[in-house]
Amino acid sequence: GQQLNQSPQSMFIQEGEDVSMNCTSSSIFNTWLWYKQDPGEGPVLLIALYKAGELTSNGRLTAQFGITRKDSFLNISASIPSDVGIYFCAGPTNAGGTSYGKLTFGQGTILTVHP
Amino acid sequence: ETGVTQSPTHLIKTRGQQVTLRCSSQSGHNTVSWYQQALGQGPQFIFQYYREEENGRGNFPPRFSGLQFPNYSSELNVNALELDDSALYLCASSLAVGGYGYTFGSGTRLTVV
Repeated sequence: GQQLNQSPQSMFIQEGEDVSMNCTSSSIFNTWLWYKQDPGEGPVLLIALYKAGELTSNGRLTAQFGITRKDSFLNISASIPSDVGIYFCAGPTNAGGTSYGKLTFGQGTILTVHP
Repeated sequence: ETGVTQSPTHLIKTRGQQVTLRCSSQSGHNTVSWYQQALGQGPQFIFQYYREEENGRGNFPPRFSGLQFPNYSSELNVNALELDDSALYLCASSLAVGGYGYTFGSGTRLTVV
């Protein structure tokens, strides 16, 4: 089935540093989503990408939809302590019916920010 | 506008028992999806309900079943619990059309002993 591989698995950075993480797949995705999950909470959508080559920003976050449709990147600039959490990439999965809401998630990148 | 509410927040069950988890959708949302998140993993899609009918299913056995009610709230039922069913169960609601504007609940932490 479709799988998403995220790297790195974890990151330990100093406050103020920039962060970069990526997500790759062996199959093509037509939509890429980036989520953040805080402890004890559900994932929250950060950025959605719908077109190959698309570069989209949300505050200090920037994500890119890879031109091959098999990868995506998320960058966080000038990290702050509240950026701590688990970041997931996700894409629509083929589970029959309409495709909305049926997502395949990567295994996550754990981000720790030291003040 | 209220978000997605799940109950209970934590639950401990014995192997072989049955469990029912509940989800109240965000106001105006008519589609509900359920996900299982094992420790250290990303969420895995279980199934989706739209207009009270199952609308797609992931790779989960039939002992995982669900319901959606006319008010769009939903239940996830798991029969014959196994130790590997221990996980965080997430509910996500959305409008059926319009991209991926899903709102996730905070989940129910199920422990099977």
